[in-house]
Amino acid sequence: SAVISQKPSRDICQRGTSLTIQCQVDSQVTMMFWYRQQPGQSLTLIATANQGSEATYESGFVIDKFPISRPNLTFSTLTVSNMSPEDSSIYLCSVDREMTDTQYFGPGTRLTVL
Amino acid sequence: AQKVTQAQTEISVVEKEDVTLDCVYETRDTTYYLFWYKQPPSGELVFLIRRNSFDEQNEISGRYSWNFQKSNSSFNFNITASQVVDSAVYFCALSEAGTDKLIFGTGTRLQVFP
Repeated sequence: SAVISQKPSRDICQRGTSLTIQCQVDSQVTMMFWYRQQPGQSLTLIATANQGSEATYESGFVIDKFPISRPNLTFSTLTVSNMSPEDSSIYLCSVDREMTDTQYFGPGTRLTVL
Repeated sequence: AQKVTQAQTEISVVEKEDVTLDCVYETRDTTYYLFWYKQPPSGELVFLIRRNSFDEQNEISGRYSWNFQKSNSSFNFNITASQVVDSAVYFCALSEAGTDKLIFGTGTRLQVFP
């Protein structure tokens, strides 16, 4: 499995502000993913981030709201922009280790927007 | 279209009881993967098992076992002699070969009381 860390682990933010979440992996991976888990709900894929290319967003998610960076093979960031209380969720990154066809998840970032 | 259904929203048992978590999936592909993840109260998503569509052998890992029945599109998770540490939300997920997108069920919250 992969060792994945996320920063911050939790945050409380004011509406209208932006928060950048970092995801760091202990080894190089091609694919990184960002998910949102709204309170009491399941996980929904926001976007897939490959190093060196633009992120691919799922239906219902747009780059202006959730810009993603993937500067190298071990790191990615997700920004939640112009936040509203509806953005209060757990945001999780995951990686697909080479040749495993399995996604391993980071510990998540609990975001509360007031 | 792909879909994962976990009809049981919440299950409560007393320690040492056996429990089965149901998972039914829909896919048009012949090649796909099925997964179970555990989400304890800390929020981290822990990978438990991956099964590919061509391997219908049931798997046992200690107190945990998984029953894959392709004929009725089910991939159930059994816990024998449940323990308080098993208390968590359990998610079943599906991905089709050639894609990296995980489709999650809505999860089953298992509460094991001492």
